[in-house]
Amino acid sequence: EDKVVQSPLSLVVHEGDTVTLNCSYEVTNFRSLLWYKQEKKAPTFLFMLTSSGIEKKSGRLSSILDKKELFSILNITATQTGDSAIYLCAVEKDSGGSNYKLTFGKGTLLTVNP
Amino acid sequence: ETGVTQTPRHLVMGMTNKKSLKCEQHLGHNAMYWYKQSAKKPLELMFVYNFKEQTENNSVPSRFSPECPNSSHLFLHLHTLQPEDSALYLCASSQSLNTGRMRTYFGPGTRLTVT
Repeated sequence: EDKVVQSPLSLVVHEGDTVTLNCSYEVTNFRSLLWYKQEKKAPTFLFMLTSSGIEKKSGRLSSILDKKELFSILNITATQTGDSAIYLCAVEKDSGGSNYKLTFGKGTLLTVNP
Repeated sequence: ETGVTQTPRHLVMGMTNKKSLKCEQHLGHNAMYWYKQSAKKPLELMFVYNFKEQTENNSVPSRFSPECPNSSHLFLHLHTLQPEDSALYLCASSQSLNTGRMRTYFGPGTRLTVT
């Protein structure tokens, strides 16, 4: 059975701290790993990772994938209160043909206090 | 098992067919969502319901028609679809839109193929 496990489930930090969120997975026919930030309702897309070892960066956020060890991390530096959200990790697998399946982790609830 | 179930898990339909996707959540949530996941694209939010009232329609074509008879059930009625509508349709639920940051629970999705 496909699994996506995120840790920690929740995290409280102070503004300015650096945080690392983890996502490990067990999926056959891996295609990609996606990170989302969810604030009020719809998750917003952050990164899509398909290749090992290549860091993707957007401002203070960065992410990297390790396909050998089957995990990804999402780093946020110099955190701000606006970074408070649930961060979702999802893994896409190839189900054959043009089919694919998306499995979500439970998310990490990040709270950044002023 | 996230507490959100979707049926059917797979659906193949012709462009002239009418079908419905069903979502049920057993979490006591009041907000429910339909998302579309196309190949190699991030999630696209389609519809949002909060306490059975539709609060958001993200410019979704009228060939997709949602229905929320109660807080536990959500339907997506499909008619005269196009091949480009083939995708994974995900249902999700959360406590409500009135709560602060909410953990959203996703169903397993319905794989739709339009021929």
